[in-house]
Amino acid sequence: GAGVSQSPSNKVTEKGKDVELRCDPISGHTALYWYRQSLGQGLEFLIYFQGNSAPDKSGLPSDRFSAERTGGSVSTLTIQRTQQEDSAVYLCASSPSKRGGTETQYFGPGTRLLVL
Amino acid sequence: AQTVTQSQPEMSVQEAETVTLSCTYDTSESDYYLFWYKQPPSRQMILVIRQEAYKQQNATENRFSVNFQKAAKSFSLKISDSQLGDAAMYFCAYKGSGNNRKLIWGLGTSLAVNP
Repeated sequence: GAGVSQSPSNKVTEKGKDVELRCDPISGHTALYWYRQSLGQGLEFLIYFQGNSAPDKSGLPSDRFSAERTGGSVSTLTIQRTQQEDSAVYLCASSPSKRGGTETQYFGPGTRLLVL
Repeated sequence: AQTVTQSQPEMSVQEAETVTLSCTYDTSESDYYLFWYKQPPSRQMILVIRQEAYKQQNATENRFSVNFQKAAKSFSLKISDSQLGDAAMYFCAYKGSGNNRKLIWGLGTSLAVNP
């Protein structure tokens, strides 16, 4: 079956512009995660959606970052007024989130964002 | 707060040989999950193997196996009969069993496989 897809694959933008990154999770997966992978650093949790529950936004680094998930499926991560330090690979993952299961997260190929 | 430490930024192995990647973690939880992910240059994060903390038996997936030492909070990955396609970044990750579902990651180990 189809895996997690993300678009665009690469995005180059100018400082101060807004960007939108899209994630299409595996069909039927109720949980969706966004992570950021900066050069030389590990993966950093950004936000987590689970079904119709309020998202866990505890990892968002500033109020310039926001995300939404429409209809429990596709998610969009928006970065407003981009800064050079926002340059990173943004990874999306989904999981079936079964109770009692290992809840393995399956990742998309990521979006590489470069802010000039 | 939980932390994950990978003390080997880079490792190398000869093709067909065996290599072990180290991972230690810190947690006060008794029930949790541990994962090894592989990230080749394509950026796709691929699950290699996972371990439930309540299971004493070490997980095995073909040429990949783990040495899970719960008391020592150690979770190393052994790759047997290394292949050129195993060259990648390897990340160790921790997930608690509560409502907080996020993965906590180590900084990764870059594995080179020499022909």
